[in-house]
Formats: sequence, structure tokens, C-alpha cells
Amino acid sequence: AQSVTQPDIHITVSEGASLELRCNYSYGATPYLFWYVQSPGQGLQLLLKYFSGDTLVQGIKGFEAEFKRSQSSFNLRKPSVHWSDAAEYFCAVGHQGGSEKLVFGKGTKLTVNP
Amino acid sequence: GAVVSQHPSRVICKSGTSVKIECRSLDFQATTMFWYRQFPKQSLMLMATSNEGSKATYEQGVEKDKFLINHASLTLSTLTVTSAHPEDSSFYICSASLPTGIGYGYTFGSGTRLTVV
Repeated sequence: AQSVTQPDIHITVSEGASLELRCNYSYGATPYLFWYVQSPGQGLQLLLKYFSGDTLVQGIKGFEAEFKRSQSSFNLRKPSVHWSDAAEYFCAVGHQGGSEKLVFGKGTKLTVNP
Repeated sequence: GAVVSQHPSRVICKSGTSVKIECRSLDFQATTMFWYRQFPKQSLMLMATSNEGSKATYEQGVEKDKFLINHASLTLSTLTVTSAHPEDSSFYICSASLPTGIGYGYTFGSGTRLTVV
């Protein structure tokens, strides 16, 4: 069965510092991978997604993620974090990205220090 | 584009009553809708998948008689929590799969905070 592991429950970085959030997946076929961000009491906003092609994916708000099949990873990065990036981040894996359900990781809470 | 509007955003109800949560796709047709539940500081847990015009498929452990899902049209799906109890208090989020013409993926509603007192 597919699964997603986000090893870091909570990460704290200083504003302006770089960020990397880890995501590992287990999936039998070609995965469709997503990163979402959730502010408290809000729904999920898509940051970026990967289906095929270039393994380095650019998203909104300056985020990027790199798909590494050999490591079953899809880590999220940002070169310089802003205070407004403080939120919960979820990695998810699906099949066709449509009728198939998403499986979410447990999330990583990001705290940004001034 | 591809917006799902979810209402209400917050609801407080008395124990034993029923609550309906609506999700509407505003600018596309949502063939498949997913309903999730999220406990504080936890991830999203899929409750059920509904396809327009068909009965919903519930995940293991989810009581289908308690969480009624209706997806009668391509733009509206509803989740009704029947005979709600305090343990049903949670954050409920709907998600629609995007049509291939828009692009692969999913769009999420803004969530409903249900508190049962």
C-alpha cells in the first residue's frame, strides 16, 4: 500500500534561512506527488506537484521540490524563508491525480523565528 | 479557477442533532469528491470518496450511517453528520479531483470546524 513519511514533525528556522522539508514515499507505480500548505483553521493550498518530466519542480511562493526516484523522495525547498511561511506542510502521493485518493504524510509544522 | 466553496466554515451543534456540510465546485464539474477529517495537530484522514450519481465509498472504520454523503450533481457534494456527538467534533475538509482539461490534481475546500456540545 502507498504511504508517505515526513520524518520531521516540527522544524524551526530563522527568517531568511534556507529550508528543506523531507518527504519519502512508498508506491508501487509511478507516483503523482504533491506538496500542500495549511494555515491554522484553513484548507489546503497546493504548492507544487510532480507527475513526470523535469524532476525539479517549481511552485508558488518561491518553493521548489525535487523528485528522486532512487531515494523515493520528494523534498521541498526554499532558499530564503519568510515569516509568512510559518504553517503546516503536507506531502501527498496519488496515482493518477484524479479519481484516485491522495495519501498524506503526517505533516511538518514550520515555525519561523524573526 | 478550480475553486471549491465549502460551507459553513464553523458550526456548533447540540449533541444528538444533525449537521450538513456543503461543498460546491464553482467553475468546474467535480466528478469525484473526497471527504477528509482532521484532528488537531494531525494529518488528513480520508473518510469517503464519492462519485456523482453513485453511492459513496467509505474507508474502513468510517460509519456510513453516521456520515451521510450525497453527490447528486457535478457541482455539489454534501456530508451530513447524523446524531452528532462530542467525539465527532473535528475539522472536515472536502476535495475535488480536477478534470483533465484543467490539469491533474485536486483542489480543497477551506474546511468546516464542527463543535458538538
